[in-house]
Amino acid sequence: AQSVAQPEDQVNVAEGNPLTVKCTYSVSGNPYLFWYVQYPNRGLQFLLKYITGDNLVKGSYGFEAEFNKSQTSFHLKKPSALVSDSALYFCAVRDPNAGKSTFGDGTTLTVKP
Amino acid sequence: NAGVTQTPKFQVLKTGQSMTLQCAQDMNHEYMSWYRQDPGMGLRLIHYSVGAGITDQGEVPNGYNVSRSTTEDFPLRLLSAAPSQTSVYFCASSYSRTGIAEAFFGQGTRLTVV
Repeated sequence: AQSVAQPEDQVNVAEGNPLTVKCTYSVSGNPYLFWYVQYPNRGLQFLLKYITGDNLVKGSYGFEAEFNKSQTSFHLKKPSALVSDSALYFCAVRDPNAGKSTFGDGTTLTVKP
Repeated sequence: NAGVTQTPKFQVLKTGQSMTLQCAQDMNHEYMSWYRQDPGMGLRLIHYSVGAGITDQGEVPNGYNVSRSTTEDFPLRLLSAAPSQTSVYFCASSYSRTGIAEAFFGQGTRLTVV
């Protein structure tokens, strides 16, 4: 069975500071990993994904994430946070042998001016 | 190119009523799915489909039916609404049934059952 955990319900950072939103996963094989962002009253939007290859993946809006197989983690990062980054962030995992993806419970990111 | 379109955006039902949430995509995607989003519980998969005529259950299928007669449409039917089905429902699609591709989400349907 596959699972994903986002250990922090809430992350608060000051504008201009680096941000990290954590995600750990469990799958039986090599995972496909995704990050999505949700703004209020909107659907989820894709940010970035790891399928294979370089462990550091870059995505939309200056976000990046590092795949760490030994720690089974896929943390989302950004070097300098913006107030407009404030939103709900979801990590998702897919075992290639499964027919469906599993989403984490989400982390609310608040960036204060 | 509209992406994933969900209707209605808002709905209030009485307990016991039935209704259908509509979902349509114009990207010729094979894979479509329905999720519900509840506070503190993230997204939970209700049903999914890997192509026309093929559907399967997700984590929380009870009380919901789906069908996939065309590639474009994937309606979700509530058979007899219950207050526990009060939630925000999202439809999503992806071009790959293997999970290698990202999902495109609709804007959501906010359902209240009284």
